Amino acid sequence: DQQVKQNSPSLSVQEGRISILNCDYTNSMFDYFLWYKKYPAEGPTFLISISSIKDKNEDGRFTVFLNKSAKHLSLHIVPSQPGDSAVYFCAATSYSGAGSYQLTFGKGTKLSVIP
Amino acid sequence: EAGVTQSPTHLIKTRGQQATLRCSPISGHTSVYWYQQALGLGLQFLLWYDEGEERNRGNFPPRFSGRQFPNYSSELNVNALELEDSALYLCASSLGPYQPQHFGDGTRLSIL
Repeated sequence: DQQVKQNSPSLSVQEGRISILNCDYTNSMFDYFLWYKKYPAEGPTFLISISSIKDKNEDGRFTVFLNKSAKHLSLHIVPSQPGDSAVYFCAATSYSGAGSYQLTFGKGTKLSVIP
Repeated sequence: EAGVTQSPTHLIKTRGQQATLRCSPISGHTSVYWYQQALGLGLQFLLWYDEGEERNRGNFPPRFSGRQFPNYSSELNVNALELEDSALYLCASSLGPYQPQHFGDGTRLSIL
């Protein structure tokens, strides 16, 4: 039962254009969402997060949008740069007291930014 | 600020042996998390330690265990190793729930 789904295993984008990575979730109890970037042979690096009380959060070139009714979030990267080429993981969590917190990850989308 | 450090980088074991993986969190972080990333799969949650206590565990058998020390560093122990335990094991730390987790570069465990 995959609660966080990234349906596109890969995405190719031209340098300078917008990259849009998508993520769907099924658990309505999720209330905190994060995006991570992972280069080969390195651990995931935190990019940006959003609480369920918001529908948008921006940090430089990265913007995360949350649509709670559709249980969908997306990460926009504008403009895309070759250094953005990596695997991007969507993650979600809910917390209902000690012992009930964990981060659930999607399987990732490999982004390739073409110079 | 030093990041999350994991040791060893690589570990080669045979079936039936035991493996110990180590993690030092970012200074000030009290929560430590362990994840398994097997080939072709996403990150699977293994264990969460906070203030020395195991707070939650994922859907893994009891031969996966660990502990957190008073200095908040942590060990992951895997007993009776099986071939399918071959994976990248990632450790993360955070200030607590609803705070971003920061990851180490992982330990690659290979079972021969």
